[in-house]
Parts: sequence; C-alpha cells; structure tokens
Amino acid sequence: AQSVTQPDIHITVSEGASLELRCNYSYGATPYLFWYVQSPGQGLQLLLKYFSGDTLVQGIKGFEAEFKRSQSSFNLRKPSVHWSDAAEYFCAVGRNTGFQKLVFGTGTRLLVSP
Amino acid sequence: KAGVTQTPRYLIKTRGQQVTLSCSPISGHRSVSWYQQTPGQGLQFLFEYFSETQRNKGNFPGRFSGRQFSNSRSEMNVSTLELGDSALYLCASSLEMGAGDTQYFGPGTRLTVL
Repeated sequence: AQSVTQPDIHITVSEGASLELRCNYSYGATPYLFWYVQSPGQGLQLLLKYFSGDTLVQGIKGFEAEFKRSQSSFNLRKPSVHWSDAAEYFCAVGRNTGFQKLVFGTGTRLLVSP
Repeated sequence: KAGVTQTPRYLIKTRGQQVTLSCSPISGHRSVSWYQQTPGQGLQFLFEYFSETQRNKGNFPGRFSGRQFSNSRSEMNVSTLELGDSALYLCASSLEMGAGDTQYFGPGTRLTVL
C-alpha cells in the first residue's frame, strides 16, 4: 500500500525567502506524485504532478518539485515566497496501475511573515 | 471550462439524520472520486465512480454510499449520521479512470453534525 509522509506540520518563511516542503513516499513501484494546495475554506488546487520523465517538474505559481527515487522524496520548492502563498500544502501519491485512489500526506501549513 | 461544483457548500444536521451531497464534474470528465477531510484523520479516500459503477471503495462503514448518473454527476449519501461524520467532503473529477489521470477537486461541502 502507498503512504506519504510530510514531516513538517508548520513552516514559517519570510516573504521573499526560498521555500522547500518535504515529502517522502512509500510505494513498491514508480508512483505518480502530486502536490496540491488548499487555502482556508477551499478545495484542493493542483500545483504540479510527476508521472515519468524529467525528474524536475515545473508547476503553477512558480513552484517546482524534484523526484528523487533513491530518497523516495518529492520535495516542493519555490525560490521566492509571496504572502499569498500562505496555505496548506498536501503531497499525494497515486498508483501507476488501476484505480484512481490518491493517498495524501498530513499536510504542511505554510505561514509567511512580513 | 467550469470546474467541479459541489452542492450544498454547507450543511448542518443532527445525529441520526441522513444527508445527500452532490457533485458535478468538469464537463467531459467521466470519473468522480470522493474524499473526507477531518483535522484528525486528514484526507481519506471514500470511493470512486466511473460509468455509473463504483470501482473502488475506501475503508468506511456501509453508512457511506454513493452513486453516479449517466451524465457523470455523482451523489454521496451518509445515513444515521454520527458526530464523527463532521468533515469537509471533497469531490474530484478526472477524464478517465486510468492510473495517474489527474484529479481536479471541487470546493467541498462542509458537513456539521450536532
């Protein structure tokens, strides 16, 4: 069965500073990996996804993520954080066969300080 | 193209009642999945529908059920509500049911059980 670990519950970053959110997954084969963002009271918005190919994936809003098979990681990065990036971020893993079920991490809440 | 819509956005029910939530997928999408989000358990998969058939089910009691109509719209039903059913219920749609097909989420229905 798949599982996802997001070790940081909260992260505070100064506006303009760089950001890295950690995600480790467990899956027996090459997974499909996703990062979603959730603003308060809202649903989930897809930031980026990795299926295969280039291990550095570009997403919306200036985010990128790097798939590292040897470390079972898919960390999310942004070079310069904006106050509007404050939200909760979820990493998710999907199976590479069969059904659609996504397994989510517990989320990381990003706070942006002025 | 309109996104995933969910109705109602907010619901308040009392224990023992039943509730029906509705989800309209993105036009052309044929797969609909449901997730429950709570502070304690995070995001958990409920079930997935494709071509009016339930294809996958999460680890939830039989009080949780759903269906999908020929136009791909989906409903989920929770009978005999319990306090622990209070949650944000998220619906996601994807083009097909294939592995890795990106899921797009709606804004959710916030259910409060008193």
